[in-house]
Amino acid sequence: QVQLVESGGGVVQPGRSLTLSCAASGLIFSTYGMHWVRQAPGKGLEWVAVVSADGGTKYYADSLKGRFTISRDDSKNTVYLQMNSLSAEDTAVYYCATGPGPGGDTMFHYWGQGTPVTVSS
Amino acid sequence: EIVLTQSPATLSLSPGERATLSCRASQSVSNSLVWYLQKPGQAPRLLIYDASNRATGIPARFSGSGSGTDFTLTISSLEPEDFAVYYCQQRENWPLTFGGGTKVQIK
Repeated sequence: QVQLVESGGGVVQPGRSLTLSCAASGLIFSTYGMHWVRQAPGKGLEWVAVVSADGGTKYYADSLKGRFTISRDDSKNTVYLQMNSLSAEDTAVYYCATGPGPGGDTMFHYWGQGTPVTVSS
Repeated sequence: EIVLTQSPATLSLSPGERATLSCRASQSVSNSLVWYLQKPGQAPRLLIYDASNRATGIPARFSGSGSGTDFTLTISSLEPEDFAVYYCQQRENWPLTFGGGTKVQIK
């Protein structure tokens, strides 16, 4: 079965950087577009970014102001989210997610368990 | 950016009752509207895609309708496991956006 396992979360000081990873199994990773979605404590869901199956297309939420970068390494079945200039507003659980089938799906059938990021001094 | 507004914010109902949740878009999203359910401490679960199609394994008591800017998720008869938070999401335009959620709680 499909599994998505996030890692790399933790406590980080404001202004610092952090990189999250999401390791995928049970699917032909190179054929799936991959997304990051976050959820601040007690708040709703916020889509963050997507990287296409071929890695050539990336989109980001407007609110990120160019601070985040999504990338993928198909040799490791892993998608990354590099987060720079972090602030308290970035405190959230970060999920990786993908669609029910190969391609550029923009709905989320498979989700990881989430990795928490806390930005605090 | 397309803004999705969900109403009500909270719905208090009893098991067996019918639940009607609304999602309104700031501009047309055609039928590119998705619904999720989320329970505390869990990742969301896909319920309905493209406004009215149930995802794999979703019970028939869940149904979706609407197009353009106004969408509805209906749960015909609430089961105990249905009490949760429900989110809509549009996939018509980038960036993808979610609504703020509707919490369905036990009355």
